Amino acid sequence: QSALTQPASVSGSPGQSITISCTGASSDVGDYNYVSWYQQHPGKAPKLMIFDVTNRPSGVSSRFSGSKSGNTASLTISGLQAEDEADYYCISYTSSSTHVFGTGTTVTVI
Amino acid sequence: QVQLVESGGGVVQPGRSLRLSCAASGFTFTGYAMHWVRQTPGKGLEWVTVMSFDGGDEYYADSVKGRFTVSRDNSKNTLFLHLNSLRAEDTAMYFCARGIGASGTYSPDYWGQGTLVTVSS
Repeated sequence: QSALTQPASVSGSPGQSITISCTGASSDVGDYNYVSWYQQHPGKAPKLMIFDVTNRPSGVSSRFSGSKSGNTASLTISGLQAEDEADYYCISYTSSSTHVFGTGTTVTVI
Repeated sequence: QVQLVESGGGVVQPGRSLRLSCAASGFTFTGYAMHWVRQTPGKGLEWVTVMSFDGGDEYYADSVKGRFTVSRDNSKNTLFLHLNSLRAEDTAMYFCARGIGASGTYSPDYWGQGTLVTVSS
């Protein structure tokens, strides 16, 4: 159960768009549309931003969107805002009926 | 509103045991799978285990399989995690989280604030 691979950090200016990748294997990301994304601010619990690859929970800004191609899922944040500065994690269901998180990405608004 | 409140964390010696609890409210507990996720201070999230809505299915990360056991009491809206043979590397904040649906297929949506487990002699 190796962690999914995410870039350690991504940065952007206010108003820009950024994309965070989440690379797994054919036994997890590639084979299931059960990929979710979480935002975590320091000292806080994670917050669900995207589920089932592309779906946004009620109350989450439309600036957040998800997609998947092959073994890689992606989270795009459009119109970057200061409040988006946080850690982001992906998670995928696996062929072993378990779940695996990504390594995490720190988003910095410069 | 959905509320998940963990308890039972603390400092424990290597090799000992601990039981964590997660009290759920604000939703129909029997309709959802429940997860435990942990996070080492300053590090990333690690999925630990999931139990289906009725307790019929449970799955574990390889790192805890055979040492940790998840259970739930649907009559008391409470999820448990039994931690046995604890190791220093089990030191982490442990979060309880609700699954998006009834089966273990679904990832977590709502999370508690966590309870800290420190394994140290």
